Amino acid sequence: DTAVSQTPKYLVTQMGNDKSIKCEQNLGHDTMYWYKQDSKKFLKIMFSYNNKELIINETVPNRFSPKSPDKAHLNLHINSLELGDSAVYFCASSPRPRPGELFFGEGSRLTVL
Amino acid sequence: ELKVEQNPLFLSMQEGKNYTIYCNYSTTSDRLYWYRQDPGKSLESLFVLLSNGAVKQEGRLMASLDTKARLSTLHITAAVHDLSATYFCAVDMFDVDDKIIFGKGTRLHILP
Repeated sequence: DTAVSQTPKYLVTQMGNDKSIKCEQNLGHDTMYWYKQDSKKFLKIMFSYNNKELIINETVPNRFSPKSPDKAHLNLHINSLELGDSAVYFCASSPRPRPGELFFGEGSRLTVL
Repeated sequence: ELKVEQNPLFLSMQEGKNYTIYCNYSTTSDRLYWYRQDPGKSLESLFVLLSNGAVKQEGRLMASLDTKARLSTLHITAAVHDLSATYFCAVDMFDVDDKIIFGKGTRLHILP
């Protein structure tokens, strides 16, 4: 059983389109995250949710909108895609109150043409 | 703002050699994590260091944490090709800022 699963694994789309990435975890964790990994492999936190509540929103353009329908799911919707949005987006989860290690999904590689 | 600096960022080394990756951070934290990432893959947890002086070992890798110096090291002993990967340290800032901040990663290439 995959602990943190993301779909789709690959997205290729045109500038200006809207796309969504879905994430689900079956670890029973309360906190979920979106991280962006750019072409230089730098990992930057975008959002975190604790039990459906937004905890962190790291100066991400408002074209990015996370949604957590329940504590096992965290989705990411991106409007009006730009070339600079091309990256790998990783979902992760952790227990609370202190995270210990993060458990990562396999990543979703987004390519904007 | 918390800064997490790894060095070196790139390392090419021969099999059989020893080397150390350094992770410095700028703000007080007592927890630090090391992850491994293979090309095109996800991040895999290697070590969880939860207190000053913590030392963990797994095979040819050993990680340590000095919270007073705000320094963690990942030591590689007698490197083998299979250890080629990108290694990230990540600092737990939950006491301050409710997040975990990653270093830029060290790309390790071990030549057979």
